[in-house]
Amino acid sequence: DSGVTQTPKHLITATGQRVTLRCSPRSGDLSVYWYQQSLDQGLQFLIQYYNGEERAKGNILERFSAQQFPDLHSELNLSSLELGDSALYFCASSVSVTDESPLHFGNGTRLTVT
Amino acid sequence: AQRVTQPEKLLSVFKGAPVELKCNYSYSGSPELFWYVQYSRQRLQLLLRHISRESIKGFTADLNKGETSFHLKKPFAQEEDSAMYYCALYTGGFKTIFGAGTRLFVKA
Repeated sequence: DSGVTQTPKHLITATGQRVTLRCSPRSGDLSVYWYQQSLDQGLQFLIQYYNGEERAKGNILERFSAQQFPDLHSELNLSSLELGDSALYFCASSVSVTDESPLHFGNGTRLTVT
Repeated sequence: AQRVTQPEKLLSVFKGAPVELKCNYSYSGSPELFWYVQYSRQRLQLLLRHISRESIKGFTADLNKGETSFHLKKPFAQEEDSAMYYCALYTGGFKTIFGAGTRLFVKA
């Protein structure tokens, strides 16, 4: 499957901990986006990378950080976790640096903070 | 402020009935709008975009700049249309803003 892949699918951890979510973009896509989906807030844009460089930031907390590696995979690091961080985290990729081209989504990582 | 509003969290219709999922946006520039759909146990995927002016799976959406709306419509709903639908606005600046989503439930 050459689509967007995210690991792990599920993650359960305790408050105060740190986790890393991983995303491999679709083959040929250079842009990677991270979104957070909470129950009542739909999809919230967190951050975007293009070819290894950060290009846009949304409502991303200072406790969260991300990076895109030379092989174009991306990691989202969430630290000092709080109960409210429990959500579905989606990665998406697109061909271009601007996202006027459609986004291709992964299946998401469901994070549960207890 | 840039914003996408989907006023209905849940929309329930009978099979064969018309369906309209509402989307309103707030954006001072020239908008590019999309509808994404997430079927049960599948990933979120593009349904249609306004610049294509196409009908996908019987769905259409017309951009109304006067009303700042991009409602998704289908004349005869099918059970397989049951899914979560997201309206999205490309704002330039490298990001797309999504609405909160509307869950469509088509009853037999």
